[in-house]
Amino acid sequence: AQSVTQPDIHITVSEGASLELRCNYSYGATPYLFWYVQSPGQGLQLLLKYFSGDTLVQGIKGFEAEFKRSQSSFNLRKPSVHWSDAAEYFCAVGARGTSGSRLTFGEGTQLTVNP
Amino acid sequence: DTAVSQTPKYLVTQMGNDKSIKCEQNLGHDTMYWYKQDSKKFLKIMFSYNNKELIINETVPNRFSPKSPDKAHLNLHINSLELGDSAVYFCASSNSGGSYGYTFGSGTRLTVV
Repeated sequence: AQSVTQPDIHITVSEGASLELRCNYSYGATPYLFWYVQSPGQGLQLLLKYFSGDTLVQGIKGFEAEFKRSQSSFNLRKPSVHWSDAAEYFCAVGARGTSGSRLTFGEGTQLTVNP
Repeated sequence: DTAVSQTPKYLVTQMGNDKSIKCEQNLGHDTMYWYKQDSKKFLKIMFSYNNKELIINETVPNRFSPKSPDKAHLNLHINSLELGDSAVYFCASSNSGGSYGYTFGSGTRLTVV
């Protein structure tokens, strides 16, 4: 069964600083990988996704992520964080199987942005 | 033009009551899901339907019964509500296999008192 680990429960950065959120996955085949963001009291918004091809994926709001098969990682990065980026970030792996497709989430990383 | 819409957004009810949450998607997807987000914000799949057929049924109490009248709708009925059912419930949809991504509704915050 697939699984996702987000090692950092909470990260604090200063506005304008760079950001990297870590994500490691476990899956027997090539996975579909996603990053979602959830602002307080809101739903889940897709930031970016990886299916195949170029391992560096560009997303919305200036985010990017790099798929590294050898490290089973899909870390999210942003070169300069804005105060509005404060939110909960979820990495997820999508898998297909005999029991249908499903999205398995990591436990999330809460991002705080200091002015 | 909401892609995946859930109603109601908030639901406060007493223990023992029965309640329903409705979900509709206008994306033309053929697979729909219910996810539960607990107080620690962990998201876990509950059910998945593909073209009205139940595909995934995780270890969810049988007080929870999903129903899909057509592939654009997936409702969740909960009988005999318990305090532990308090959570945020998210509906989502995707194409078969999820290769184009998963779109989520804005969630229903259920509070059982």
